[in-house]
Amino acid sequence: GDSVTQMEGPVTLSEEAFLTINCTYTATGYPSLFWYVQYPGEGLQLLLKATKADDKGSNKGFEATYRKETTSFHLEKGSVQVSDSAVYFCALSSAGGTSYGKLTFGQGTILTVHP
Amino acid sequence: AAGVIQSPRHLIKEKRETATLKCYPIPRHDTVYWYQQGPGQDPQFLISFYEKMQSDKGSIPDRFSAQQFSDYHSELNMSSLELGDSALYFCASSSPPGNTEAFFGQGTRLTVV
Repeated sequence: GDSVTQMEGPVTLSEEAFLTINCTYTATGYPSLFWYVQYPGEGLQLLLKATKADDKGSNKGFEATYRKETTSFHLEKGSVQVSDSAVYFCALSSAGGTSYGKLTFGQGTILTVHP
Repeated sequence: AAGVIQSPRHLIKEKRETATLKCYPIPRHDTVYWYQQGPGQDPQFLISFYEKMQSDKGSIPDRFSAQQFSDYHSELNMSSLELGDSALYFCASSSPPGNTEAFFGQGTRLTVV
């Protein structure tokens, strides 16, 4: 079955540091890949996505590239801010049609950014 | 822009009671998904509906049932509640075909005491 593995956290950084959160996946076919962010007490917000190999998703300074050869979708940001503190989930959707929202999530990575 | 609306936001129930969670999708979205997120866990897919028919089923306990109504809102019914059912329940909606994104509501936090 489908699975997503994220780097174990939590991650603690100083403001303006470089961020990488690793994500690898196992899936049948050609999944779509996503990064969701969850702020304390809030729901899940889509941060970025990529739907085919070599696509790069980007948003709010975050980037991730769909690497089929390494089955990875690592999240990066060049300079983090305190406001980026949240839980980040890597996810995949392996079926189209009526199942685009049927997501398999990684275990989540807690990011804390200190001033 | 309109988002996915879930109600109630918080719910406290006793063991063996029943609970009903409601989800109102984004207008013109015809697909609804339910997820359960336990404390410190990743969201787990429970069930989905497309055009009022069940389209997929995940790890939903037999004590739970759900349906989608003619106005596309959905309800998750939970009976014989157990302490382990305490979790954040998310609803998401999307509008296939061709749409690769599901939009999530803010969730209902269910506490079973």
